[in-house]
Amino acid sequence: GQSLEQPSEVTAVEGAIVQINCTYQTSGFYGLSWYQQHDGGAPTFLSYNALDGLEETGRFSSFLSRSDSYGYLLLQELQMKDSASYFCATGTASKLTFGTGTRLQVTL
Amino acid sequence: DAGVIQSPRHEVTEMGQEVTLRCKPISGHDYLFWYRQTMMRGLELLIYFNNNVPIDDSGMPEDRFSAKMPNASFSTLKIQPSEPRDSAVYFCASSVDSYEQYFGPGTRLTVT
Repeated sequence: GQSLEQPSEVTAVEGAIVQINCTYQTSGFYGLSWYQQHDGGAPTFLSYNALDGLEETGRFSSFLSRSDSYGYLLLQELQMKDSASYFCATGTASKLTFGTGTRLQVTL
Repeated sequence: DAGVIQSPRHEVTEMGQEVTLRCKPISGHDYLFWYRQTMMRGLELLIYFNNNVPIDDSGMPEDRFSAKMPNASFSTLKIQPSEPRDSAVYFCASSVDSYEQYFGPGTRLTVT
């Protein structure tokens, strides 16, 4: 099976950079995905890393190290609207297991 | 495309009643997933379908839960009889690949 660990909460100031870490244990690996969920909303896909290295999408970047079973999501130029929960997820080619989520609070 | 559509958005029912949740996936997506989200247990996969066929229902809590996908554009999740511990937000998601799933808005179920 799969298990993923994330910090439960992170607080950062508007305009700053924040990194959300994810470590995983898995019997098989099909890459690491990241999802964002605002309160009362649905999870939305942010990024996916199949191979080691950094993937950049605008203000968001995601990193994967398969040898360390570790990845992170990097959010730059934080905005108030980035306050949300962030989930890492991994699994097989056909299904995902989600981490417990990191609640990010962006303050002024 | 309108995205994944779920109905109802909110459901309040009494213990012992039957509850049916509905989902219309994005056209062309081969995979359909049903999740349950609670504060205590997080986001749990209940069951998923590939090309309308149930592939893995190991996450279904017990026999009170059942899911069907009679065609590529419709799926249901049924709870019978419902219990207070079933109160949660139920999400349907669809995808072409598992890693990029598109979630519906969810159904918030309250069982009293």
